[in-house]
Amino acid sequence: DGGITQSPKYLFRKEGQNVTLSCEQNLNHDAMYWYRQDPGQGLRLIYYSQIVNDFQKGDIAEGYSVSREKKESFPLTVTSAQKNPTAFYLCASRLVGGNQETQYFGPGTRLLVL
Amino acid sequence: RKEVEQDPGPFNVPEGATVAFNCTYSNSASQSFFWYRQDCRKEPKLLMSVYSSGNEDGRFTAQLNRASQYISLLIRDSKLSDSATYLCVVGLSNTGKLIFGQGTTLQVKP
Repeated sequence: DGGITQSPKYLFRKEGQNVTLSCEQNLNHDAMYWYRQDPGQGLRLIYYSQIVNDFQKGDIAEGYSVSREKKESFPLTVTSAQKNPTAFYLCASRLVGGNQETQYFGPGTRLLVL
Repeated sequence: RKEVEQDPGPFNVPEGATVAFNCTYSNSASQSFFWYRQDCRKEPKLLMSVYSSGNEDGRFTAQLNRASQYISLLIRDSKLSDSATYLCVVGLSNTGKLIFGQGTTLQVKP
C-alpha cells in the first residue's frame, strides 16, 4: 500500500539529548513537510523540502534540523537546543505540479521529555 | 492577529442537526483552501478542498468568499461519527506552505 510512515509512534527524550524522527513515503511525492502540534492548537510548520538535497525553514525551525538525501525520506532531528520539545510531530508530503496541492499526513510521532 | 482564525468551540449538537463552521484568513494572496478533519490523537485527513464557486460532497458543503476572506463548512444531518476537530487550512503559494487554523471541535450526541 502507498502511504506515509512515521516512526516511532512514541519517543522519549532525556534532557540534553538529540533524537531523530523518521518519515518515509512511497507515494513518489516531491515535497515533504514537518509540523508540530501542541494541545488545542493548529499545526505549525518546522521545515519543508520541495526537492532532494534542498530544504527551507518554516515558522519554528529553531532547535530542529532536517536532511533530504532521498526523495522518499525526510528525517527530523530534535536537538538539545529545542527547550520545549514535547509535542505531536506530523510529517506530510505533496505531489508538486498541476492541481496537486493537497498534503497527506503520516500517523505522527508523540515526543515526550523525561 | 492569527493568519487563520476559527471559533474553537466545542460545538455540541444532537444527531441530525445542521452545523456551520466559519473561518477567516488574513492574507489576501492566499491561493488554495481546504477543510481537514482530525480525530483525537490522529493525523489530519483531507475532508474537502474549497473552491470559489462553492462545492458539495454528500452532507458537507464548503463555501469561499474571497472578498471577505471567509471560508465556511456546513454539515447537514450530523452523525455521531462526525465528532472530530475540523481544521481550516489556507495555502499561500506554490511552495505548498499551508497555514492551519487551531480547529473547531464538534461533538455530536445521540
